[in-house]
Amino acid sequence: AQSVTQLDSQVPVFEEAPVELRCNYSSSVSVYLFWYVQYPNQGLQLLLKYLSGSTLVKGINGFEAEFNKSQTSFHLRKPSVHISDTAEYFCAVIFSGNTGKLIFGQGTTLQVKP
Amino acid sequence: SAVISQKPSRDICQRGTSLTIQCQVDSQVTMMFWYRQQPGQSLTLIATANQGSEATYESGFVIDKFPISRPNLTFSTLTVSNMSPEDSSIYLCSVDPGDPNQETQYFGPGTRLLVL
Repeated sequence: AQSVTQLDSQVPVFEEAPVELRCNYSSSVSVYLFWYVQYPNQGLQLLLKYLSGSTLVKGINGFEAEFNKSQTSFHLRKPSVHISDTAEYFCAVIFSGNTGKLIFGQGTTLQVKP
Repeated sequence: SAVISQKPSRDICQRGTSLTIQCQVDSQVTMMFWYRQQPGQSLTLIATANQGSEATYESGFVIDKFPISRPNLTFSTLTVSNMSPEDSSIYLCSVDPGDPNQETQYFGPGTRLLVL
């Protein structure tokens, strides 16, 4: 079955430290990859996406992610986090042939401490 | 991108009743989607609602429980019928503006539903 796994349910980190949120998906078929952020009591905001081309994609708020086809991963990184980055982060995948069907990972809570 | 609004933003309902959630988009879009986010959980696709055709439901979701309307290219409704406490969730609509090769969905703010 096609699935998305976020390996860490919670990631605590101090302000200005780097962070990596991990995401792996199950299939080696062609994929479109997304990271969304959900701030408390809000909807989802698109952070970045990989559709094709360069495997390193940059998004909003200083985040970036790298697509690794051989490892079926799409990890999210930020070199220096801020308190305002505290939120829930969701990795999502559209698998080839399933237009529009986003499959979400379980989410990772990023807790930035002062 | 697209600007999406949902009504109501939140509601508290009694079991056995039904609630209709509205989703409005600021531009015409072909593809609209409804998701459920149960407390502390991730998002699960309920159905795809394309204008001019019947909604397509995912496994585990049925039309009798979650009827959907899509009367035009900017509006959709999701009804949660005969509610039970297990239906307490955030319900989100999303749209794919249909830009070629973009495959990107944008989400509304969600409707927070509590069933007592």
